[in-house]
Amino acid sequence: QKEVEQDPGPLSVPEGAIVSLNCTYSNSAFQYFMWYRQYSRKGPELLMYTYSSGNKEDGRFTAQVDKSSKYISLFIRDSQPSDSATYLCAMSVEGNQFYFGTGTSLTVIP
Amino acid sequence: DAGVTQSPTHLIKTRGQHVTLRCSPISGHKSVSWYQQVLGQGPQFIFQYYEKEERGRGNFPDRFSARQFPNYSSELNVNALLLGDSALYLCASSRLPSSEQFFGPGTRLTVL
Repeated sequence: QKEVEQDPGPLSVPEGAIVSLNCTYSNSAFQYFMWYRQYSRKGPELLMYTYSSGNKEDGRFTAQVDKSSKYISLFIRDSQPSDSATYLCAMSVEGNQFYFGTGTSLTVIP
Repeated sequence: DAGVTQSPTHLIKTRGQHVTLRCSPISGHKSVSWYQQVLGQGPQFIFQYYEKEERGRGNFPDRFSARQFPNYSSELNVNALLLGDSALYLCASSRLPSSEQFFGPGTRLTVL
Protein backbone atom coordinates (compact mmCIF):
# COMPACT_ATOMS: atom_id res chain seq x y z
CA GLN A 1 0.00 0.00 0.00
CA LYS A 2 1.28 3.44 -0.93
CA GLU A 3 1.78 5.98 1.84
CA VAL A 4 -0.28 8.56 -0.08
CA GLU A 5 -3.05 7.89 -2.60
CA GLN A 6 -4.22 10.51 -5.05
CA ASP A 7 -6.61 10.10 -7.99
CA PRO A 8 -4.61 11.03 -11.10
CA GLY A 9 -7.70 12.25 -12.98
CA PRO A 10 -7.75 13.84 -15.44
CA LEU A 11 -10.29 16.28 -14.06
CA SER A 12 -11.97 18.75 -16.42
CA VAL A 13 -14.22 21.59 -15.20
CA PRO A 14 -15.75 24.76 -16.71
CA GLU A 15 -14.32 28.13 -15.77
CA GLY A 16 -15.79 29.44 -12.52
CA ALA A 17 -16.50 26.00 -11.06
CA ILE A 18 -15.46 24.89 -7.59
CA VAL A 19 -12.78 22.22 -7.78
CA SER A 20 -12.26 19.58 -5.10
CA LEU A 21 -8.97 17.68 -4.99
CA ASN A 22 -8.32 14.92 -2.47
CA CYS A 23 -5.67 12.65 -1.03
CA THR A 24 -5.89 9.75 1.39
CA TYR A 25 -3.06 8.36 3.46
CA SER A 26 -2.25 5.32 5.55
CA ASN A 27 0.18 6.65 8.17
CA SER A 28 -1.75 8.15 11.08
CA ALA A 29 1.45 9.85 12.31
CA PHE A 30 1.47 12.35 9.41
CA GLN A 31 1.06 15.86 10.79
CA TYR A 32 2.55 18.19 8.16
CA PHE A 33 0.55 18.62 4.96
CA MET A 34 1.23 20.63 1.82
CA TRP A 35 -0.43 21.20 -1.56
CA TYR A 36 1.54 22.12 -4.67
CA ARG A 37 0.65 23.15 -8.20
CA GLN A 38 2.96 22.00 -10.98
CA TYR A 39 2.85 23.23 -14.55
CA SER A 40 4.28 21.00 -17.25
CA ARG A 41 8.07 20.60 -17.01
CA LYS A 42 8.34 23.11 -14.14
CA GLY A 43 9.10 22.81 -10.43
CA PRO A 44 6.15 22.50 -8.01
CA GLU A 45 4.74 25.76 -6.61
CA LEU A 46 3.63 25.75 -2.97
CA LEU A 47 -0.06 26.60 -2.51
CA MET A 48 -0.91 25.62 1.05
CA TYR A 49 0.90 24.38 4.17
CA THR A 50 -0.95 23.10 7.23
CA TYR A 51 0.07 21.49 10.46
CA SER A 52 -2.17 18.91 12.15
CA SER A 53 -5.93 19.12 11.57
CA GLY A 54 -8.30 21.85 10.54
CA ASN A 55 -8.95 24.25 7.69
CA LYS A 56 -6.81 26.94 6.14
CA GLU A 57 -7.91 29.51 3.58
CA ASP A 58 -5.78 31.64 1.26
CA GLY A 59 -7.56 33.59 -1.45
CA ARG A 60 -9.43 31.17 -3.71
CA PHE A 61 -7.80 28.14 -2.07
CA THR A 62 -8.99 26.23 1.03
CA ALA A 63 -7.14 23.27 2.50
CA GLN A 64 -8.81 20.82 4.86
CA VAL A 65 -7.22 18.08 6.95
CA ASP A 66 -9.32 15.32 8.53
CA LYS A 67 -6.88 13.21 10.52
CA SER A 68 -9.60 10.90 11.84
CA SER A 69 -10.41 9.86 8.26
CA LYS A 70 -6.81 10.22 7.02
CA TYR A 71 -8.06 12.46 4.27
CA ILE A 72 -7.00 15.88 3.01
CA SER A 73 -8.67 18.16 0.49
CA LEU A 74 -7.91 21.26 -1.53
CA PHE A 75 -10.78 23.39 -2.80
CA ILE A 76 -10.36 25.95 -5.56
CA ARG A 77 -13.13 28.53 -5.89
CA ASP A 78 -13.89 30.45 -9.08
CA SER A 79 -11.49 28.27 -11.07
CA GLN A 80 -9.59 29.93 -13.92
CA PRO A 81 -7.96 28.52 -17.07
CA SER A 82 -4.62 29.47 -15.50
CA ASP A 83 -5.35 26.92 -12.75
CA SER A 84 -4.92 24.15 -15.34
CA ALA A 85 -2.00 22.14 -13.98
CA THR A 86 -1.14 19.05 -11.94
CA TYR A 87 -1.88 19.30 -8.22
CA LEU A 88 0.28 17.39 -5.78
CA CYS A 89 -0.36 16.66 -2.13
CA ALA A 90 2.54 15.98 0.24
CA MET A 91 2.75 14.96 3.87
CA SER A 92 5.29 14.18 6.57
CA VAL A 93 5.57 12.86 10.10
CA GLU A 94 8.33 15.09 11.41
CA GLY A 95 8.66 17.57 8.56
CA ASN A 96 11.82 16.12 7.12
CA GLN A 97 10.80 13.36 4.71
CA PHE A 98 7.75 14.33 2.69
CA TYR A 99 5.68 11.75 0.82
CA PHE A 100 3.96 12.95 -2.32
CA GLY A 101 0.89 11.73 -4.15
CA THR A 102 1.10 11.00 -7.86
CA GLY A 103 -0.73 14.24 -8.71
CA THR A 104 -4.15 15.09 -10.16
CA SER A 105 -4.25 16.66 -13.61
CA LEU A 106 -6.77 19.53 -13.80
CA THR A 107 -8.03 21.33 -16.89
CA VAL A 108 -10.26 24.41 -16.55
CA ILE A 109 -12.17 25.04 -19.76
CA PRO A 110 -12.87 28.69 -20.70
CA ASP B 1 14.13 37.88 -3.41
CA ALA B 2 15.59 35.17 -5.65
CA GLY B 3 13.98 31.79 -5.43
CA VAL B 4 15.69 28.42 -5.34
CA THR B 5 18.14 28.04 -8.20
CA GLN B 6 19.41 24.82 -9.72
CA SER B 7 22.09 24.05 -12.26
CA PRO B 8 22.36 22.80 -14.85
CA THR B 9 18.87 23.01 -16.38
CA HIS B 10 19.34 20.00 -18.61
CA LEU B 11 21.93 17.27 -18.69
CA ILE B 12 22.54 14.29 -20.94
CA LYS B 13 24.81 11.48 -19.73
CA THR B 14 25.54 7.91 -20.72
CA ARG B 15 25.20 4.81 -18.56
CA GLY B 16 27.99 4.36 -16.04
CA GLN B 17 28.91 8.04 -15.89
CA HIS B 18 28.76 10.28 -12.84
CA VAL B 19 26.72 13.48 -12.43
CA THR B 20 26.72 16.40 -9.99
CA LEU B 21 23.67 18.60 -9.60
CA ARG B 22 23.73 21.90 -7.72
CA CYS B 23 21.22 23.86 -5.71
CA SER B 24 21.23 27.30 -4.10
CA PRO B 25 18.49 27.84 -1.49
CA ILE B 26 16.47 30.95 -0.83
CA SER B 27 18.42 33.45 1.26
CA GLY B 28 17.87 32.71 4.95
CA HIS B 29 16.87 29.09 4.37
CA LYS B 30 19.12 26.57 6.09
CA SER B 31 17.51 23.32 4.97
CA VAL B 32 17.72 21.71 1.52
CA SER B 33 15.85 18.63 0.32
CA TRP B 34 16.38 16.65 -2.88
CA TYR B 35 13.66 14.81 -4.79
CA GLN B 36 13.51 12.68 -7.93
CA GLN B 37 10.43 13.02 -10.13
CA VAL B 38 9.85 10.49 -12.88
CA LEU B 39 7.40 11.50 -15.61
CA GLY B 40 3.81 11.00 -14.49
CA GLN B 41 4.72 10.46 -10.83
CA GLY B 42 5.01 12.63 -7.75
CA PRO B 43 8.43 13.61 -6.39
CA GLN B 44 10.27 10.93 -4.41
CA PHE B 45 12.34 12.05 -1.42
CA ILE B 46 16.09 11.42 -1.70
CA PHE B 47 17.82 13.50 1.03
CA GLN B 48 17.33 16.34 3.44
CA TYR B 49 20.14 18.44 4.88
CA TYR B 50 19.98 21.00 7.65
CA GLU B 51 22.95 22.98 8.93
CA LYS B 52 25.23 20.75 6.84
CA GLU B 53 23.99 17.59 8.55
CA GLU B 54 21.94 14.86 6.89
CA ARG B 55 18.48 14.86 8.47
CA GLY B 56 16.78 12.27 6.31
CA ARG B 57 17.42 9.77 3.56
CA GLY B 58 14.89 8.16 1.26
CA ASN B 59 14.93 4.69 -0.23
CA PHE B 60 17.65 5.26 -2.83
CA PRO B 61 20.82 3.22 -3.44
CA ASP B 62 24.25 4.27 -2.20
CA ARG B 63 25.05 5.53 -5.70
CA PHE B 64 23.20 8.66 -4.58
CA SER B 65 24.99 11.00 -2.21
CA ALA B 66 24.70 14.64 -1.25
CA ARG B 67 26.27 17.33 0.86
CA GLN B 68 25.52 20.82 2.07
CA PHE B 69 28.08 23.60 2.18
CA PRO B 70 28.63 26.35 4.81
CA ASN B 71 26.67 28.79 2.61
CA TYR B 72 23.76 26.26 2.67
CA SER B 73 24.01 25.43 -1.03
CA SER B 74 23.96 21.74 -1.83
CA GLU B 75 25.17 19.16 -4.32
CA LEU B 76 23.56 15.87 -5.30
CA ASN B 77 25.91 13.28 -6.76
CA VAL B 78 24.88 10.16 -8.63
CA ASN B 79 27.46 7.53 -9.57
CA ALA B 80 27.29 4.70 -12.11
CA LEU B 81 24.25 6.14 -13.85
CA LEU B 82 21.50 3.80 -14.99
CA LEU B 83 18.82 4.40 -17.61
CA GLY B 84 16.28 4.46 -14.78
CA ASP B 85 17.96 7.50 -13.25
CA SER B 86 16.49 9.63 -16.05
CA ALA B 87 14.18 12.05 -14.27
CA LEU B 88 13.59 15.60 -13.12
CA TYR B 89 15.72 16.25 -10.02
CA LEU B 90 14.19 18.84 -7.75
CA CYS B 91 15.71 20.80 -4.92
CA ALA B 92 13.55 22.40 -2.24
CA SER B 93 14.65 24.83 0.44
CA SER B 94 13.04 25.70 3.77
CA ARG B 95 13.94 27.82 6.81
CA LEU B 96 13.79 24.75 9.04
CA PRO B 97 13.37 21.05 8.18
CA SER B 98 9.66 21.15 9.03
CA SER B 99 8.88 24.52 7.41
CA GLU B 100 7.25 25.11 4.04
CA GLN B 101 9.39 23.75 1.22
CA PHE B 102 9.93 25.88 -1.88
CA PHE B 103 11.07 24.13 -5.02
CA GLY B 104 13.50 25.15 -7.69
CA PRO B 105 12.88 24.62 -11.42
CA GLY B 106 14.68 21.29 -11.42
CA THR B 107 17.42 19.66 -13.45
CA ARG B 108 16.24 17.34 -16.18
CA LEU B 109 18.66 14.41 -16.43
CA THR B 110 18.60 12.08 -19.40
CA VAL B 111 20.70 8.91 -19.28
CA LEU B 112 21.35 7.24 -22.64
